[in-house]
Amino acid sequence: KQEVTQIPAALSVPEGENLVLNCSFTDSAIYNLQWFRQDPGKGLTSLLLIQSSQREQTSGRLNASLDKSSGRSTLYIAASQPGDSATYLCAVTSRGTSYGKLTFGQGTILTVHP
Amino acid sequence: GAGVSQSPRYKVAKRGQDVALRCDPISGHVSLFWYQQALGQGPEFLTYFQNEAQLDKSGLPSDRFFAERPEGSVSTLKIQRTQQEDSAVYLCASSGIRGGFNQPQHFGDGTRLSIL
Repeated sequence: KQEVTQIPAALSVPEGENLVLNCSFTDSAIYNLQWFRQDPGKGLTSLLLIQSSQREQTSGRLNASLDKSSGRSTLYIAASQPGDSATYLCAVTSRGTSYGKLTFGQGTILTVHP
Repeated sequence: GAGVSQSPRYKVAKRGQDVALRCDPISGHVSLFWYQQALGQGPEFLTYFQNEAQLDKSGLPSDRFFAERPEGSVSTLKIQRTQQEDSAVYLCASSGIRGGFNQPQHFGDGTRLSIL
């Protein structure tokens, strides 16, 4: 059974810092890995999707890497801003299903203070 | 609308009551997923529809949980004889004009269910 773990559970940084969020998964047989953002009381917004054949994806100040063989992904946020404060979730789509259901980590709560 | 819409946003029910949660996916999306998110946790898969067919219900916690999507668009998640442990946020997501596993899922804002 696929298990996804995120470290740290919470992170507080001053504005302007670069930061790294970590995600690990137990079964490397995946189709893809996604990073999501969740604001309080809201649903999930997809940030980046990395297919299993890819090593990284970039969008603006965000860069996500994937090392499938070691079961790890990192989300790098450059020059953090208070508006980046949210919960960040990673999720994988495991092989063995053709339906694309996601297995999530428990999330990292990020606070960026001015 | 352009996004996934869920209603109601909040639902309070007494233990033992039945509840029904609605999801309007993005128009034309083939795949529809339901997830349950407990406080402080990541979402957990409940069930999956491809058009009107429920192809995976392995995540439903008990036979009190029932989902349907009769015309391949709107879906309803029903919980019978609710219990306190059913309190959670229920998220709906849709994806894919043609289905498939490498298309991003678009999530609604969820229904926050509280059982008293």
